[in-house]
Amino acid sequence: KAGVTQTPRYLIKTRGQQVTLSCSPISGHRSVSWYQQTPGQGLQFLFEYFSETQRNKGNFPGRFSGRQFSNSRSEMNVSTLELGDSALYLCASSPREGKLFFGSGTQLSVL
Amino acid sequence: GIQVEQSPPDLILQEGANSTLRCNFSDSVNNLQWFHQNPWGQLINLFYIPSGTKQNGRLSATTVATERYSLLYISSSQTTDSGVYFCAVERSSSSGSARQLTFGSGTQLTVLP
Repeated sequence: KAGVTQTPRYLIKTRGQQVTLSCSPISGHRSVSWYQQTPGQGLQFLFEYFSETQRNKGNFPGRFSGRQFSNSRSEMNVSTLELGDSALYLCASSPREGKLFFGSGTQLSVL
Repeated sequence: GIQVEQSPPDLILQEGANSTLRCNFSDSVNNLQWFHQNPWGQLINLFYIPSGTKQNGRLSATTVATERYSLLYISSSQTTDSGVYFCAVERSSSSGSARQLTFGSGTQLTVLP
């Protein structure tokens, strides 16, 4: 099976812009979750989707949003970018229980 | 929320040495996973181990759920073992079966040739 695919691998944006990141889960996995990794805060949970429904959301402002499509692919969007949004954004897919499998991430730099 | 503490934060070894990484968590959990983050940023799942002991080659892990800790053992370390090792725990949320991991801050392992 192909692994979790995240695109793009790198992004450079300026403050105030918005960005959309994409994640294609492992075939058959219906749960997709997103994490932000920064040197200061470590790995933090953003949100989780299952069958196109957001089931859980972490402690992030409303500028961070996401969605999941009927084929389980997911996107996350960050609007009005701030310098502090610079991070590695990781997507994970999983079955209902068991291991989570992560993609290679999208490195976002906000200038 | 649940707290996850990993120790040591940094570890430097000579190739061939053994090491033990520890993960303590503050509350009961449904599952626990160990990950290795490679230099390109990808998190590689090493073990899914809510309790008991598992082995995979030179790596093994033990979780004692009743005492709220897990150990990751690396034997005969190699330079390719270098990287950051994360412990992550999961417990049922108020949303029921939503999947959400809480990560520790990691152990940075450096294996010298």
